[in-house]
Amino acid sequence: GAVVSQHPSWVICKSGTSVKIECRSLDFQATTMFWYRQFPKQSLMLMATSNEGSKATYEQGVEKDKFLINHASLTLSTLTVTSAHPEDSSFYICSASAGTGAFSFGQGTRLTVV
Amino acid sequence: GESVGLHLPTLSVQEGDNSIINCAYSNSASDYFIWYKQESGKGPQFIIDIRSNMDKRQGQRVTVLLNKTVKHLSLQIAATQPGDSAVYFCAANSGGSNYKLTFGKGTLLTVNP
Repeated sequence: GAVVSQHPSWVICKSGTSVKIECRSLDFQATTMFWYRQFPKQSLMLMATSNEGSKATYEQGVEKDKFLINHASLTLSTLTVTSAHPEDSSFYICSASAGTGAFSFGQGTRLTVV
Repeated sequence: GESVGLHLPTLSVQEGDNSIINCAYSNSASDYFIWYKQESGKGPQFIIDIRSNMDKRQGQRVTVLLNKTVKHLSLQIAATQPGDSAVYFCAANSGGSNYKLTFGKGTLLTVNP
């Protein structure tokens, strides 16, 4: 139980284009979803927290206009990297919580901007 | 703000030995702690968690110890196997109903056959 699926698992895009990453909770309703970014050999850094039906809360230093987060349903949150640049290349990971304090993580998305 | 750190960035052990990975946290309000295992190119995999009303919790081959006095927790892996080789992260919440997690820097565990 408590499975989170992230799609795609990897994506290559051209500089200046936008990329959408999906995060789905498959067998539970996720009241809160979290988006993390992880650079090589570094830890996970929280980018934003999203609650279903409301605007995401972004961490300090994360541009909300560049990283658009939509949490339209209790089972789906999306992260759109707009006008991607090579420095946005990273491993993006989502996690979901049903509000019980337990977290489930997706398998991550490797974004490469060329 | 919350900061969670690890004492050692790398740990190398022989197969069959016990491994101990340490973690320190700074927010005294944190009341939920989790250890994750992350293999290359994959998302974090839950290992074990502990709440602040406990000081020890055991799982299969793993034990987490929590010392709230010094804000320290550790992960002990018994009879370490090559399949345990990965990066291990501790994570702590911000306390109460806040479910936001802060991750430590990670320890790379290498198990030598």
